[in-house]
Order: sequence, then C-alpha cells, then structure tokens
Amino acid sequence: DTGVSQDPRHKITKRGQNVTFRCDPISEHNRLYWYRQTLGQGPEFLTYFQNEAQLEKSRLLSDRFSAERPKGSFSTLEIQRTEQGDSAMYLCASSLGKVRGTGSFRLSNEKLFFGSGTQLSVL
Amino acid sequence: QQPVQSPQAVILREGEDAVINCSSSKALYSVHWYRQKHGEAPVFLMILLKGGEQKGHDKISASFNEKKQQSSLYLTASQLSYSGTYFCGTRDSYSGSARQLTFGSGTQLTVLP
Repeated sequence: DTGVSQDPRHKITKRGQNVTFRCDPISEHNRLYWYRQTLGQGPEFLTYFQNEAQLEKSRLLSDRFSAERPKGSFSTLEIQRTEQGDSAMYLCASSLGKVRGTGSFRLSNEKLFFGSGTQLSVL
Repeated sequence: QQPVQSPQAVILREGEDAVINCSSSKALYSVHWYRQKHGEAPVFLMILLKGGEQKGHDKISASFNEKKQQSSLYLTASQLSYSGTYFCGTRDSYSGSARQLTFGSGTQLTVLP
C-alpha cells in the first residue's frame, strides 16, 4: 500500500482565517478518522467516516470545524475563523473495517494506519 | 477517560530492557499500542483483547490484565530503533467505532548507544 498521505505538512495562518486540510487514505480502506494531537499528548478523536457517511463527531469539534469525504475516497477537514487554540497536529487515519452484519465484526482487531499529519500554527 | 501511562519518559542503553505501563479506571475491552517517532505518523504495534493474552513480535511484547485494567509493554534488549513515543489506546465498550479508542499521553523512550 502507498500509505495515508496528508497535505499540506505544515500550515501557518493568521487568526480568523479559514484553512483546509486534505487526507488521502489507503485506497481499499472504508473507514477514515481525523485526530488532533498537541505537544506531549496522545491523539484525540475528532470525527469518523465509514465510506462517505460521517458517523461520529467528538464534542471537541466545534461548529467552526467541518469534514467531508465525498464518494468515500479522500477527506477534507476545514477550520473556519481559526483561533490560536486550534494550533495542533491534525492526524488522519484509515482502516479496513467490516460492517456489522456482513460477517464477524472485528472492531477489536481494527488497526489504524496514520498519516504524518498537518501541523497547524495559528498566529 | 484518558488512560494513564507510566513512566512519562525513560532513557536506557542499547541492549537494556524497559517496561511501559498503561492503566485505566474503566473496565477495558481492548488495549492498543502505537509508537510515534518525532515528526512521523504513529505506527501500530499490537492489540490485546480481554482474556489476559500476551502478544509479541521481535523483542516487543505486551500483556493485558483485564481485572486490574492494566496493560504493560515489554521491550527486551532495546535497539536504537525503539526510540520514540509509545502510546496506549484503550477501548472500554463494545462500540462499533474507534471513537471509543482513547489514547494516553505517551511514554517517551530514548535508547542510547
């Protein structure tokens, strides 16, 4: 596989500006996750897609955040009116998950493949 | 609720052993271990399920004590390549989503020659 790729690797923006990040998952993976990671902390869940459907959003995700995954392929994460507190590494991960009811549901064995992230700095 | 990892950091010489612990206040269904090198993506190491099984590959293994809601990662005869930050992620329900995967704050491991 070619791995999960994210673009851009770094983004510096001024407070109040909008930013958009892109994630290209591993091609056969049906699940896509966005996480946020700050210095010295583990990844925090933001949102999750199964194919093109956004199934879950964390309470961390304010109204300024929106994510899409058109056609169940790549995904974008947009932050509107950025704030200094949005500065973080934004990680995308994908996995091959089986849908409940179509076979043994082995979420327990779900392995996440992470991208290298987009480092956002809001000045 | 975030699992607690200990120690926060450890420095050791090549060839030495290390243990990283992960504990939760909630009953756990599974524990997931990842390693992240500086500036790189977290990389999957292993998953442990309820049942207290011990898994391993190479000289890295882990155990899961569901009664104590704890997992330990064992690094034997450390190599320079083991350096990085180790995260445990815990799942405390049977939910069908990784939303329930909550990561600890990490243990920074440095292996010196």
